[in-house]
Amino acid sequence: EVQLVESGGGLVQPGGSLRLSCAASGFTFSSYWMHWVRQAPGKGLVWVSRINSDGSSTSYADSVKGRFTISRDNAKNTLYLQMNSLRAEDTAVYYCAKTSSGSYDYWGQGTLVTVSS
Amino acid sequence: QSALTQPASVSGSPGQSITISCTGTSSDVGGYNYVSWYQQHPGKAPKLMIYEVSNRPSGVSNRFSGSKSGNTASLTISGLQAEDEADYYCSSYTSSSTLEWVFGGGTKLTVL
Repeated sequence: EVQLVESGGGLVQPGGSLRLSCAASGFTFSSYWMHWVRQAPGKGLVWVSRINSDGSSTSYADSVKGRFTISRDNAKNTLYLQMNSLRAEDTAVYYCAKTSSGSYDYWGQGTLVTVSS
Repeated sequence: QSALTQPASVSGSPGQSITISCTGTSSDVGGYNYVSWYQQHPGKAPKLMIYEVSNRPSGVSNRFSGSKSGNTASLTISGLQAEDEADYYCSSYTSSSTLEWVFGGGTKLTVL
């Protein structure tokens, strides 16, 4: 059974940093591209970032470019999102998602990040 | 890059059919067959319902179907059931310079 379990969310002050993790199991993690998608309270889904299967290629939404860094450790079956210079507008539930055939076929349960003083 | 355009809400009675549209541009929906649809119940993670425009993942009811014409994709749910009440999002790959994947704003489906 495919499982994605996010962790690392919490309350952080504006300008602060946080690192999210996504532990994967039930599939060959190293074979799949992975994404982070976020959802602000009461709002829709927004794509954040993508990493290819071996970690050699990444992509970011303009809204987080230069502040967030996506990475992965295929030996630990874990995806990461390092978030720096956090802003109030980064407050959201962050989901990691596995991709296949150009879609997100499995999602984690999400981890809430709240940026507030 | 704006989100793909979806109606904010749709409604239907049990047993009826509804269609949710998702309008983009030639840089996303119209240019690629990487259009997918997701169902999200309150407080839950999204669930893949349709991928590559019209394909259903294993385990998804055949009451759900997808199509595309030009820059507009559509999700049709036939034989509406109470458990279909949820938010629905479309998504597409995009050649935009500002992001790689784009979602629609979401549609709230109410089963009357």
